[in-house]
Amino acid sequence: DIQLTQSPSFLSASVGDRVTITCRASQGISSYLAWYQQKPGKAPKLLIYAASTLQSGVPSRFSGSGSGTEFTLTISSLQPEDFATYYCQQLNSYLYTFGQGTKLEIK
Amino acid sequence: QLQLQESGPGLVKPSETLSLTCTVSGGSISSSSYYWGWIRQPPGKGLEWIGSIYYSGSTYYNPSLKSRVTISVDTSKNQFSLKLSSVTAADTAVYYCARHTLAYCTGGVCYPLDYWGQGTLVTVSS
Repeated sequence: DIQLTQSPSFLSASVGDRVTITCRASQGISSYLAWYQQKPGKAPKLLIYAASTLQSGVPSRFSGSGSGTEFTLTISSLQPEDFATYYCQQLNSYLYTFGQGTKLEIK
Repeated sequence: QLQLQESGPGLVKPSETLSLTCTVSGGSISSSSYYWGWIRQPPGKGLEWIGSIYYSGSTYYNPSLKSRVTISVDTSKNQFSLKLSSVTAADTAVYYCARHTLAYCTGGVCYPLDYWGQGTLVTVSS
């Protein structure tokens, strides 16, 4: 089974900062990766799919990159509403494993 | 606007079977562009994909849960359902239903989850 490992697990940052979250796959998954944002008590929200394609309605400060085994989610200038937990998910071979999550907190 | 709504008992006894239904409104469950999935999240923990189903009935399950999971679809009611047998306290979680949408990843199609239900907490306890 393909495992996804996110780093860091916790991230403290300030409004306006640029932050990057990494997701590493245990095997190559081409661009078969999505990123989600989850706020407390809410369902996850799709941000990016195909590693770098922005979902409709998602602000352009979010971007994704990578292919194969290493992927990144970047928020170019943190806004107050971006403090949440972020998950990557592999979309390969109909086995939709999630990473363990990265909690982004206000410094 | 597509909406998904989970329903079912909020309390299940150990060793019994957890049963949930997801009702889809604002769109057809029979579209060839979508799969329908179940995901869970234990309190304070991360997301775990349980399994997914196509309107034709083709299913895909998490190998770690496969022996206990059955997902089915009722296109006449625009619903799909989850059954998880022999539950223990470790199955206590918020259960979400969601839609996988057809997208294009390098080299082929892929199915990210673009619409989610609000989630329902299921507690396993005697």
